[in-house]
Amino acid sequence: EDQVTQSPEALRLQEGESSSLNCSYTVSGLRGLFWYRQDPGKGPEFLFTLYSAGEEKEKERLKATLTKKESFLHITAPKPEDSATYLCAHFFGNEKLTFGTGTRLTIIP
Amino acid sequence: EAGVTQSPTHLIKTRGQQATLRCSPISGHTSVYWYQQALGLGLQFLLWYDEGEERNRGNFPPRFSGRQFPNYSSELNVNALELEDSALYLCASSLDNSPLHFGNGTRLTVT
Repeated sequence: EDQVTQSPEALRLQEGESSSLNCSYTVSGLRGLFWYRQDPGKGPEFLFTLYSAGEEKEKERLKATLTKKESFLHITAPKPEDSATYLCAHFFGNEKLTFGTGTRLTIIP
Repeated sequence: EAGVTQSPTHLIKTRGQQATLRCSPISGHTSVYWYQQALGLGLQFLLWYDEGEERNRGNFPPRFSGRQFPNYSSELNVNALELEDSALYLCASSLDNSPLHFGNGTRLTVT
């Protein structure tokens, strides 16, 4: 079954403490790996799309990378406003974007 | 550019009733997707409409249905509401293979 797995489920960091979130997927064909940020009570906000192994995208303190089986979202020197749930998603063959359950990130001032 | 808009923001219904949720996509986007996000769970794919046609459907019973209008707006209908239908319902739009852009959802509460 097509699956997207994210780890850890929750992560608490001190302000300025860098870390990485992981997203792994089971399907072999890559048709796009997406990262979203979701704040409580709001819809997911698009961050990045990655299409091929070795590709990297950056936005402010966030950098997304992609290998053949997983993607990482690196957070450098995070600030409290980076606190949110980060979701990854993958397009599978039947044209539906399948989401992982997310990593709930809390940055402590 | 206006984003994806959904209405109503909140909806309270009684078990057995019907709910209608509405979505206006970003101007120029022809595809609309519906997702359910129950408390503590991930986003579950419900429906995908493109150019007025239903293109794909998730693992939900037939009482979840919808349609897309000629102006590409969409509505989701949930019949015979059950308590477990309580969730945040998210609509997203896209054009061709562009990333999905989401609205802020409709919070449906079934009592």
